Amino acid sequence: GESVGLHLPTLSVQEGDNSIINCAYSNSASDYFIWYKQESGKGPQFIIDIRSNMDKRQGQRVTVLLNKTVKHLSLQIAATQPGDSAVYFCAENRAEYGNKLVFGAGTILRVKS
Amino acid sequence: GAGVSQSPSNKVTEKGKDVELRCDPISGHTALYWYRQSLGQGLEFLIYFQGNSAPDKSGLPSDRFSAERTGGSVSTLTIQRTQQEDSAVYLCASSLVADRVEQYFGPGTRLTVT
Repeated sequence: GESVGLHLPTLSVQEGDNSIINCAYSNSASDYFIWYKQESGKGPQFIIDIRSNMDKRQGQRVTVLLNKTVKHLSLQIAATQPGDSAVYFCAENRAEYGNKLVFGAGTILRVKS
Repeated sequence: GAGVSQSPSNKVTEKGKDVELRCDPISGHTALYWYRQSLGQGLEFLIYFQGNSAPDKSGLPSDRFSAERTGGSVSTLTIQRTQQEDSAVYLCASSLVADRVEQYFGPGTRLTVT
């Protein structure tokens, strides 16, 4: 079936180190991929997205890489800070369905000071 | 400006009762989405509105679930005859138009069915 999943359910990193969160997807027809950050008790917050015709996109301290050959998506966070501690979700976007998002299960990022 | 708001923030109800959850999208956003998040899980799509119409209701888990949107703004998600498995956080999101990827989420309503 169609699914978006994550390799690592929990990731612990030292403050200042770089973090890499991985995601696998199965639907090659997806138009966009999006990363969301969800802090405890809050709704998901958009971080960055990438179109299916791109391989890499950079934001502020974050980079998303898309490898369509192996259907793999990653989020890189540079110089991880305690405020980055949250659950990170990847999601695939299907414009044919009005941009319905299909979310993965999430990865918990814990930043150690 | 104000973000997406949802009410109530928490709702505890007895099994078999009906509940209504409200979502106020960002002003001017024409697309509105409802998702459900069970404990420790990702988000599950429920329904999507473009204006007042709902072209995609594919995620509603049963006929006990319904949603409406009036005036192209506020939306209400209704769950009839609640069951314990309905316990979850119900999240609403809006986007400027339907073809915009970036959806803005509200804080959610935590529903507990006892």
